[in-house]
Amino acid sequence: GAGVSQSPSNKVTEKGKDVELRCDPISGHTALYWYRQSLGQGLEFLIYFQGNSAPDKSGLPSDRFSAERTGGSVSTLTIQRTQQEDSAVYLCASSLDLAGPQHFGDGTRLSIL
Amino acid sequence: GEDVEQSLFLSVREGDSSVINCTYTDSSSTYLYWYKQEPGAGLQLLTYIFSNMDMKQDQRLTVLLNKKDKHLSLRIADTQTGDSAIYFCAEKSPSGTYKYIFGTGTRLKVLA
Repeated sequence: GAGVSQSPSNKVTEKGKDVELRCDPISGHTALYWYRQSLGQGLEFLIYFQGNSAPDKSGLPSDRFSAERTGGSVSTLTIQRTQQEDSAVYLCASSLDLAGPQHFGDGTRLSIL
Repeated sequence: GEDVEQSLFLSVREGDSSVINCTYTDSSSTYLYWYKQEPGAGLQLLTYIFSNMDMKQDQRLTVLLNKKDKHLSLRIADTQTGDSAIYFCAEKSPSGTYKYIFGTGTRLKVLA
């Protein structure tokens, strides 16, 4: 597609439920990144993919967070047993390669009740 | 450690120039970026500068880099109301993880 596409754009769920966030990168982009933006905060790096592999998972806040990427394209970020502190905007970015500038989607706004 | 700092707010009058400042800590950063975020939207890449450059100009945008002081600035000429947004600077982590380290963003308000 023309840009990075994320779905859903908004998600409201109850504490304790699992959620799955999806990212469709720009076609042909090999690198994909997930960030979290909490209210009034900057962006917190979560994880990145080169192809289907994730060399750096150091930013994932806890073992409730996981991500995968299949076919070198779509990625999903899964949060299990959600907590209220997980409420944030989750942003996905992609780049042609690891050296290229990152292009961001509009994010998924996650609200945990 | 890794840290990127920006002032939180800037207010200018329409037609004036805006200067948004950023300081970073890692002198080995290779690229520095400016992103714009409008309400409810993701981050839009505005421009970026390679660390061996001092200045880059792109239409109304001018980026200045002082590598000695680890200071980056974004100047917007003839600021318009549509420029009202949050502006983030970011450095590419040189540690090999390829993540960007973002500042907390500067909220620019343009007064008509």
